[in-house]
Amino acid sequence: DQQVKQNSPSLSVQEGRISILNCDYTNSMFDYFLWYKKYPAEGPTFLISISSIKDKNEDGRFTVFLNKSAKHLSLHIVPSQPGDSAVYFCAASATNAGKSTFGDGTTLTVKP
Amino acid sequence: GAGVSQSPRYKVAKRGQDVALRCDPISGHVSLFWYQQALGQGPEFLTYFQNEAQLDKSGLPSDRFFAERPEGSVSTLKIQRTQQEDSAVYLCASSPRQREGSPLHFGNGTRLTVT
Repeated sequence: DQQVKQNSPSLSVQEGRISILNCDYTNSMFDYFLWYKKYPAEGPTFLISISSIKDKNEDGRFTVFLNKSAKHLSLHIVPSQPGDSAVYFCAASATNAGKSTFGDGTTLTVKP
Repeated sequence: GAGVSQSPRYKVAKRGQDVALRCDPISGHVSLFWYQQALGQGPEFLTYFQNEAQLDKSGLPSDRFFAERPEGSVSTLKIQRTQQEDSAVYLCASSPRQREGSPLHFGNGTRLTVT
């Protein structure tokens, strides 16, 4: 039973356009959500997060939206750049749980 | 160093051999996590330490897997009698303190191949 799902294994967008990566979760106890970016042969690096008391968090070109009723979050990258090409993981954690639960990732390709 | 360091980067083991994977977290980071990542999948939680205390080992797949952090800094993940299904990238991550939603700082992982 996968509690965090990223249903699109891959996404391709043109440089300068918007990239939208989606994530769904099933565990209603999750109250923190994070996005990580991963380049080949490297570990994931933290990108942006949101707590369940908010519905939007913005950091430069990156915005995360949370829809608690739908158990859905999305990451928007505007404008997309070729250097954004990487695998993006959605992760979720619950208060006092310690661990994070990850989705299987979406490979983003930004074409020049 | 400034980041989480893992060694070795690559390990090839024959089925049945024991292996030990090392993680040096960022200095001062209280929390340390081990994850297993199979090809094409996301990281799967194995175990979690706060200082030297192992608070959660619910993700360890069998009793062949053992982790320790005796002095609250360096951690070792040991796999006994390796099997082919143990082939994966093993990621270590640390975070400064047990605060809800703290992002994890990952190392570059150890790629284990069991032949």
